[in-house]
Amino acid sequence: DIQMTQSPTSLSASIGDRVTVTCRSSQNIRHYLNWYQHKVGEAPKLLIHFVSTLQSGVNSRFNGSGAGTDFTLTISSLQRQDFATYYCQQAFSTPYTFGQGTKLDIK
Amino acid sequence: QVQLQESGPGLVKPSETLSLICTVSGVSMKNFYWSWIRQPPGKGLEWIGYITDNGGTNYNPSLSGRLIISVDASKNHLSLRLTSVTAADTAIYYCVRHVVLGYADWFDPWGQGTQVTVSS
Repeated sequence: DIQMTQSPTSLSASIGDRVTVTCRSSQNIRHYLNWYQHKVGEAPKLLIHFVSTLQSGVNSRFNGSGAGTDFTLTISSLQRQDFATYYCQQAFSTPYTFGQGTKLDIK
Repeated sequence: QVQLQESGPGLVKPSETLSLICTVSGVSMKNFYWSWIRQPPGKGLEWIGYITDNGGTNYNPSLSGRLIISVDASKNHLSLRLTSVTAADTAIYYCVRHVVLGYADWFDPWGQGTQVTVSS
């Protein structure tokens, strides 16, 4: 199985900050990397697919980049509704696997 | 708007069979793949398996042998059946639409999830 490692696992930031979450895969997954946002009590939500394609309706504050084994999710100018847990997921091969999550909370 | 709603027993005894249903609305199930994903308490997300638009399946090897995923398109139901459950199967179970476009695929949208606890 492809292992997905996110860092940091938790992050405290302030409204208006710019934050970056890193995701590393144990082997080359080309561009088959998706990002999800999960708020407590809600259904997880797709933010970005294929590294950098923003899902319809997702704010342009969210940006994804990377290729191969190293990927980043950047959120510019944090808003209150952005505080959540973020997961990366590789879609290169089955079994699909997720990072362990990055919990973003308010400083 | 596509909506998914999981339903199930909540509590299952060890060694018994877990059966879950996901009711899909807002789209025809026939045109998409569908997956199940779970999250054990305090742990990350685990992909369980998917079923294709023509009924083919692909299961996580960690569960293969105990798992059946099926679709009843006439009822708009996605089903999961997991046999011989143990405490390790305690998790929130999510049904998701599995979007495939060329070689890329992703999960969107997700259901709210249903908690399943395995305990005697």
